[in-house]
Amino acid sequence: QVHLVQSGAEVRKPGASVRVSCKASGYRFTTYGVAWVRQAPGQGLEWVGWINSYNGNTNYGEKVQGRATLTRDISTSTVYMELRSLSSDDTALYYCARAYCTSNRCSSGFDSWGLGTLLTVPS
Amino acid sequence: SHELTQPPSVSVSPGQTASITCSGDKLGDQYACWYQQRPGQPPVLVIYEYNKRPSGIPERFSGSSSGNTAALTISGTQAMDEADYYCQAWDSSTGRWVFGGGTKLTVL
Repeated sequence: QVHLVQSGAEVRKPGASVRVSCKASGYRFTTYGVAWVRQAPGQGLEWVGWINSYNGNTNYGEKVQGRATLTRDISTSTVYMELRSLSSDDTALYYCARAYCTSNRCSSGFDSWGLGTLLTVPS
Repeated sequence: SHELTQPPSVSVSPGQTASITCSGDKLGDQYACWYQQRPGQPPVLVIYEYNKRPSGIPERFSGSSSGNTAALTISGTQAMDEADYYCQAWDSSTGRWVFGGGTKLTVL
C-alpha cells in the first residue's frame, strides 16, 4: 500500500526558510516522481513543484521559482522541499503527491497524497 | 500563464446527474484530471487522462472532453459526493501542472 508520510507543522518568521519532508513507501521510489501542492486556508489547490525521483530533475511553479528547491534521497525514499524568503503568502497546507510520468508525458495525475504539512508564516 | 476555469459552484439533487466543466486555451492538447476533496482531507484522484478511473473510484464518475473543455460527470449523485472538485492539466510546453479554481458541489 502506498504511503506518503510528511513532516510536522512549521511556524516561521517572514524572510526565513523551511524544509519539509515526504517519505514514500509501498512502491518503487524511482519509478514515480513527487509533486508538491499547496492550499492556502479556504483556497484552492496550487501546484508548487515536481521532482523526478529517478534522476533528480525538477520543475517549479511561477510563484516559488527561485525560492523553492526540491531534492530527494533515494536511500531513504524521501523527498525534501525547501522554501526560502518566506512571506505570509506562503502560509498554506503543503501536500506531497505521487506522480507518474513517461519520457514525454505526465498525464496520469497525482494518485496518492500525503496528509499535508501546515506552514504558518505570521504577517 | 495557462489557466483553467471552473464554475465556483454546482448544485444537484440526490440521484440526479451532476456535471462540472473545466475550460482552458490549451486543454484540447492536454489530458485533464479531476480530483475530489472533502473538508479536512487530501484530494483524491477520480479521473485521469480525460476519462480513466483509478482503481476504487465508483463507476458513477466519468470524464469527457470536447475542444478546450473537459467535463466531470457524476451519475446518480449521492450525498457522499458533496465535496470540492478540481480539474488539473499538465502543460507539455512548460512541464508544469495547473489546477482549476475548484467547484463546490452541493447535493441538495
